Amino acid sequence: NAGVTQTPKFRILKIGQSMTLQCTQDMNHNYMYWYRQDPGMGLKLIYYSVGAGITDKGEVPNGYNVSRSTTEDFPLRLELAAPSQTSVYFCASSWAGVSGSTEAFFGQGTRLTVV
Amino acid sequence: AQKVTQAQTEISVVEKEDVTLDCVYETRDTTYYLFWYKQPPSGELVFLIRRNSFDEQNEISGRYSWNFQKSTSSFNFTITASQVVDSAVYFCALSFSSNTGKLIFGQGTTLQVKP
Repeated sequence: NAGVTQTPKFRILKIGQSMTLQCTQDMNHNYMYWYRQDPGMGLKLIYYSVGAGITDKGEVPNGYNVSRSTTEDFPLRLELAAPSQTSVYFCASSWAGVSGSTEAFFGQGTRLTVV
Repeated sequence: AQKVTQAQTEISVVEKEDVTLDCVYETRDTTYYLFWYKQPPSGELVFLIRRNSFDEQNEISGRYSWNFQKSTSSFNFTITASQVVDSAVYFCALSFSSNTGKLIFGQGTTLQVKP
């Protein structure tokens, strides 16, 4: 059972470059999320999606874009990378309904360095 | 405002000692969920527990126990007879029924268990 799969695990970008972080889940979860974790800090929400075709901003969305064309996939796009985007990125998914949400399942993380 | 505070940045104990990690939360919602996640040195996030706001019963799972007190807005985590493998960063997180499962994380507590 794969759960939440993120690729790549590591990446070094030059300032101004763009890239897409891939995220796939096989648990048929309706909700998906992207978080970033800066050193010594908790995770902060970048974007989230409540279902295919529906996305919304989280706490720190600037410099990122997302799309959700299928239930399974939720890629995160970085345009014009900046050093401030150096971080560890986590994709997560959960099932949420009227009674609240289950725990979130996280991918292994992507360590991104912008130089 | 919704907020999670983990005042202990780092804790160091010797193996077999008991240790308590503190978590204080703020929310105006009456229905909310509290979580603990473990992040070992390998970097992934491991779910430990989910507790809803209507269930104040303490929970024990092996060497782990959780004390939920709504009166003090706290959800503390105790490890009994700590082991080296417990060394990790531990995150407390909050979500509420109307927020689509989005998690608000504390800053994390780094626990080092020395042999």
